[in-house]
Amino acid sequence: DVKVTQSSRYLVKRTGEKVFLECVQDMDHENMFWYRQDPGLGLRLIYFSYDVKMKEKGDIPEGYSVSREKKERFSLILESASTNQTSMYLCASSPLDRGQETQYFGPGTRLLVL
Amino acid sequence: AQSVTQLGSHVSVSEGALVLLRCNYSSSVPPYLFWYVQYPNQGLQLLLKYTSAATLVKGINGFEAEFKKSETSFHLTKPSAHMSDAAEYFCAVSDRGGDKIIFGKGTRLHILP
Repeated sequence: DVKVTQSSRYLVKRTGEKVFLECVQDMDHENMFWYRQDPGLGLRLIYFSYDVKMKEKGDIPEGYSVSREKKERFSLILESASTNQTSMYLCASSPLDRGQETQYFGPGTRLLVL
Repeated sequence: AQSVTQLGSHVSVSEGALVLLRCNYSSSVPPYLFWYVQYPNQGLQLLLKYTSAATLVKGINGFEAEFKKSETSFHLTKPSAHMSDAAEYFCAVSDRGGDKIIFGKGTRLHILP
């Protein structure tokens, strides 16, 4: 079974704090993704990575950065958290195969920024 | 540019009734199409996907979807709804050149007893 784990299910942070969200997958997948999910907006891609140390911006990268130092781990960083970053954050991974491969999701991290 | 439109942010059906969740896509090339389901407090999991084999795709839990190129649709159906089907459903599309997929805004399915 593919497993994608996220470091926290719930997080509460204060405005201006630096926030790290960690994601680990155990299937040796090349691709990893970070999405945020908001009611009525569906899933929006923040960043993705197709290899170690490689990253590409998604649709809403502003205010976020990412790090992929090891193949199995993909971190999302909020440099200075703001209230409009309160959301559900979902990590996913998939094999590298030109769009037809299933993405496997973690359980999500619900972040509240006060 | 690719896009996905899901008709209806909320759909209610009675237990035992037909489930029909609508999805239309826009893509300049033959797409790959997906349906994912999200149960409360969980991540998304794949229900089924179309990757250019049979146009009628069968998935888990009795769901199926039919790819209709002429209508640019990929509607999700299940003949008889069960209470456990209550969840949010996402249609998604990807092209054949990359590894990103575009998700629709989701449809929350409510099952009435």
